[in-house]
Amino acid sequence: GAGVSQSPSNKVTEKGKDVELRCDPISGHTALYWYRQSLGQGLEFLIYFQGNSAPDKSGLPSDRFSAERTGGSVSTLTIQRTQQEDSAVYLCASSLYTGGTQETQYFGPGTRLLVL
Amino acid sequence: AQSVSQHNHHVILSEAASLELGCNYSYGGTVNLFWYVQYPGQHLQLLLKYFSGDPLVKGIKGFEAEFIKSKFSFNLRKPSVQWSDTAEYFCAVNARNTGFQKLVFGTGTRLLVSP
Repeated sequence: GAGVSQSPSNKVTEKGKDVELRCDPISGHTALYWYRQSLGQGLEFLIYFQGNSAPDKSGLPSDRFSAERTGGSVSTLTIQRTQQEDSAVYLCASSLYTGGTQETQYFGPGTRLLVL
Repeated sequence: AQSVSQHNHHVILSEAASLELGCNYSYGGTVNLFWYVQYPGQHLQLLLKYFSGDPLVKGIKGFEAEFIKSKFSFNLRKPSVQWSDTAEYFCAVNARNTGFQKLVFGTGTRLLVSP
């Protein structure tokens, strides 16, 4: 079936603008993760959604970052007042929740964000 | 907190050479272990994973990895690499039985296989 999809694939924005990044997980996957891949920091966890539970936001780097997941499916990551250090590839992954023991995460192609 | 170390940042091999990429993790509890690969211009793909059982796991494209619990290691191996194996390889770990399976990644190893 279809994999994780993300849009846009590339986004160029000016410093100070807000951006929204979208993730469509694999159908039936209730767990959804956002990660960031940047040159200086490697791959870092940002936020986790599981079903209707409150999201785990422990990886968000600042309060300019937020995310929501509507209807238990599509997720949007919003970055307000973007800064140049936000430039990175933002990756979304989904998995079939099995009680948090042995899950395999499948990644989307990412959104490459460039803040000028 | 968990951490993952990949000691080789860049590896250059000729085709048919054998490959071993090191991965060590730091975590006192039970873990799940993964190797992901990112081919040029493509997204992260799962290469192989270890949850439990036989510590020698086989993945796609002839790759295998061995979990050595006493050494906190999960090294990736391939007996004979091909030019098409040129990619970046990431080792990742998460903690089992926490109800929350965020992955902690190593910094990655860039492999270049020359024809």
